[in-house]
Amino acid sequence: DIQMTQSPSSLSASVGDRVTITCRASQSISSHLNWYQQKPGKAPKFLIYAASSLQSGVPSRFSGSGSGTDFALTISGLQPEDVATYYCQQIYISPFTFGPGTKVDIK
Amino acid sequence: QVQLQESGPGLVKPSETLSLTCTVSGGSISNYYWSWIRQPPGKGLEWIAYINYSGSTNYNPSLKSRVTISIVASKSQLSLKLLSVTAADTAVYYCARREVGFVGTKSYWYFDLWGRGTLVTVSS
Repeated sequence: DIQMTQSPSSLSASVGDRVTITCRASQSISSHLNWYQQKPGKAPKFLIYAASSLQSGVPSRFSGSGSGTDFALTISGLQPEDVATYYCQQIYISPFTFGPGTKVDIK
Repeated sequence: QVQLQESGPGLVKPSETLSLTCTVSGGSISNYYWSWIRQPPGKGLEWIAYINYSGSTNYNPSLKSRVTISIVASKSQLSLKLLSVTAADTAVYYCARREVGFVGTKSYWYFDLWGRGTLVTVSS
């Protein structure tokens, strides 16, 4: 199985800050990487596919980058409604594994 | 708009079978792949399996020996059965739709729609 890791596991930042979450795959997955946002008690919400393609309706302050094994999700200007846990997921090879998540809070 | 709703018992005894249904409303179940994903309390997400409208399946090897998923297109439902459950199977179970996006001519898929999830507790 492809193992996905994320760092940091949690972070606290101020409103308006630029926040970056990294995701690493245990082997190359090209650009087959998705990002999801999960708020407490809610189902995950899809944000980004193909490492950097933003889902329609997702605020443009969210962006994704990377390919191969190293990826990043950036929030340019953190907002209170962005408090959530963020998960990366590889869809390169079955089983389609998720990262352990990064919890984002407001300082 | 399309909505997914999971249903089933919230409590299952150890060694018994967990059975869940996902009902798709507001849209067609055809022409899509559908997945089950679970999340133990306070933990991360685990993909369980997917099925398409014609019954083609793909299972997570870690669960394959105990899992069966099926689809009843006429009822717009998919189902999940997990045999011989233990406390480790306690989780919120989600159904999700798999959509496809394109970058140039290359296709990529993702889970674009999720149900609200249903908590299944395994306990005697």
